[in-house]
Amino acid sequence: NAGVTQTPKFQVLKTGQSMTLQCAQDMNHNSMYWYRQDPGMGLRLIYYSASEGTTDKGEVPNGYNVSRLNKREFSLRLESAAPSQTSVYFCASREGLRNAEAFFGQGTRLTVV
Amino acid sequence: GEDVEQSLFLSVREGDSSVINCTYTDSSSTYLYWYKQEPGAGLQLLTYIFSNMDMKQDQRLTVLLNKKDKHLSLRIADTQTGDSAIYFCAESYSGYSTLTFGKGTMLLVSP
Repeated sequence: NAGVTQTPKFQVLKTGQSMTLQCAQDMNHNSMYWYRQDPGMGLRLIYYSASEGTTDKGEVPNGYNVSRLNKREFSLRLESAAPSQTSVYFCASREGLRNAEAFFGQGTRLTVV
Repeated sequence: GEDVEQSLFLSVREGDSSVINCTYTDSSSTYLYWYKQEPGAGLQLLTYIFSNMDMKQDQRLTVLLNKKDKHLSLRIADTQTGDSAIYFCAESYSGYSTLTFGKGTMLLVSP
């Protein structure tokens, strides 16, 4: 049981480049989330998907887009990367209806130069 | 809006008990969580508690909830050096809603 898998684990981008962060869960969870973690800021929510077919903005959505491809996968896209998007990105998932436990992936460490 | 506050740093000696505190502002919070993050790793769910519970115990971990004061604490008994990490408190209104996190408490355990 892999849980929540994020790819890639590390990435360096040049300003203006685009990329997609991938997230997949194998727990049949309904809800999925993208957070970013910056020093001294804790975790801030970028986007979330309460269930398959829905997505909503979180606290810091500017510069990002998301796609809930199916129940398993939730991707985060940076269309034109900026140095301010240098961060550690975490994906999380939760079953929601019968179980409120939320599980996190290992993170993607992104540097934009 | 929702807010979750934690003290930033706690230092204890190995074998002592550690108590990490958290306060939250949203009175409609239903689930309250504690996560552990070791350097370079993701967040590991330690435990969570429903808002209608006062206490939850799991081996060395004890969670206390004072709903009236919106205060949550995590007690780690017989703290070990392997417990050194950042501990995050989080709250959620429902099983489908988002989790709001505090900024984390860095626990340093010295031998």
